[in-house]
Amino acid sequence: DAGVIQSPRHEVTEMGQEVTLRCKPISGHDYLFWYRQTMMRGLELLIYFNNNVPIDDSGMPEDRFSAKMPNASFSTLKIQPSEPRDSAVYFCASSPGQGDEQYFGPGTRLTVT
Amino acid sequence: RKEVEQDPGPFNVPEGATVAFNCTYSNSASQSFFWYRQDCRKEPKLLMSVYSSGNEDGRFTAQLNRASQYISLLIRDSKLSDSATYLCVVNGNDMRFGAGTRLTVKP
Repeated sequence: DAGVIQSPRHEVTEMGQEVTLRCKPISGHDYLFWYRQTMMRGLELLIYFNNNVPIDDSGMPEDRFSAKMPNASFSTLKIQPSEPRDSAVYFCASSPGQGDEQYFGPGTRLTVT
Repeated sequence: RKEVEQDPGPFNVPEGATVAFNCTYSNSASQSFFWYRQDCRKEPKLLMSVYSSGNEDGRFTAQLNRASQYISLLIRDSKLSDSATYLCVVNGNDMRFGAGTRLTVKP
């Protein structure tokens, strides 16, 4: 298995632009997680899905952030409009079941100028 | 109080040293526990799960103390390649990651 796949690996954009991050979880995993990591705040859970259904989005910072999972093999995290404080590494992770270990993708390093 | 707390370090130790990290958690209903390793500019990767009876994987030993609500990781005979940030993870209502403890092993 190729593991969790994320794209793009790096994104540089200007303030106000829309950013879309993509994730393909490990096949057969029922849970998908989106995290954000910064030096100041560490690893923060943004949202997670179970069988394509959003379960907890309490970590989503504000309405500018949205996430979808249209099918079991694809999810997106969208930021519109982007702001410089959104600059971070965004990780997607998947796990087989509730409470199981999570497998992380390589992350998307986002820079908003 | 944070749900999962770790000593941020950094821990700077010589090769061959034994080093231990602790992590405390606040949710007494937590059911599963893990240690992850994260290298600079890389994603976190599972190092080992933590079982109630304690478990060992080579030079690494993990312990769980439910009464005191902490988990620990012991690294024996540390190698240069052990240099990384170690994250403890606790699953209560959802998975919570500690902020990580940075370890540098020096020759």
